Amino acid sequence: GENVEQHPSTLSVQEGDSAVIKCTYSDSASNYFPWYKQELGKGPQLIIDIRSNVGEKKDQRIAVTLNKTAKHFSLHITETQPEDSAVYFCAASNGNSGYALNFGKGTSLLVTP
Amino acid sequence: DADVTQTPRNRITKTGKRIMLECSQTKGHDRMYWYRQDPGLGLQLIYYSFDVKDINKGEISDGYSVSRQAQAKFSLSLESAIPNQTALYFCATSDLPRQGCYEQFFGPGTRLTVL
Repeated sequence: GENVEQHPSTLSVQEGDSAVIKCTYSDSASNYFPWYKQELGKGPQLIIDIRSNVGEKKDQRIAVTLNKTAKHFSLHITETQPEDSAVYFCAASNGNSGYALNFGKGTSLLVTP
Repeated sequence: DADVTQTPRNRITKTGKRIMLECSQTKGHDRMYWYRQDPGLGLQLIYYSFDVKDINKGEISDGYSVSRQAQAKFSLSLESAIPNQTALYFCATSDLPRQGCYEQFFGPGTRLTVL
């Protein structure tokens, strides 16, 4: 089955700096890669996603890049703010399993003022 | 009102007891999922259902069973709870994939403690 590795497990940055979280996947059939943000006491919420036919996608301060050949994808957050502090999960999926998600283990991001 | 609700939100039980966690959704989605979250391990898929007649095992289904009572309701049961099933459980829903949208919507979670 699919194996998703996520690094780092914790990340601390100063407000205004950029944050980068990286993930690798093992199943070449995976073609959908979402990123979820989980705030304390809440369920995960989708923040951005990318399909395998696209190399990069951006939404305001958040961007995701995908390298299919190397089987890795990354989340980039620019101009970080304290409200960006949360746990971030990457995931991979494909149509063979109905797009059920295989999650990475998460990155706890702390943005200090 | 929340689109995806889970009951109970917290539950403490003893080893060997039968426990049912319930999930309801008002989003009209066909697809529903149960995940387990342990500290440092991310979310692991337990079961998923694409409609009331379709149930599929996830990566960690042993010790769990599910029931899809209706399009809007998906229950997770632990027939005989054990301490290593202590975790945070999430229900999620998604619509049929369309125009590249595969977003899953998560409930608030149920914190289960098995003593």
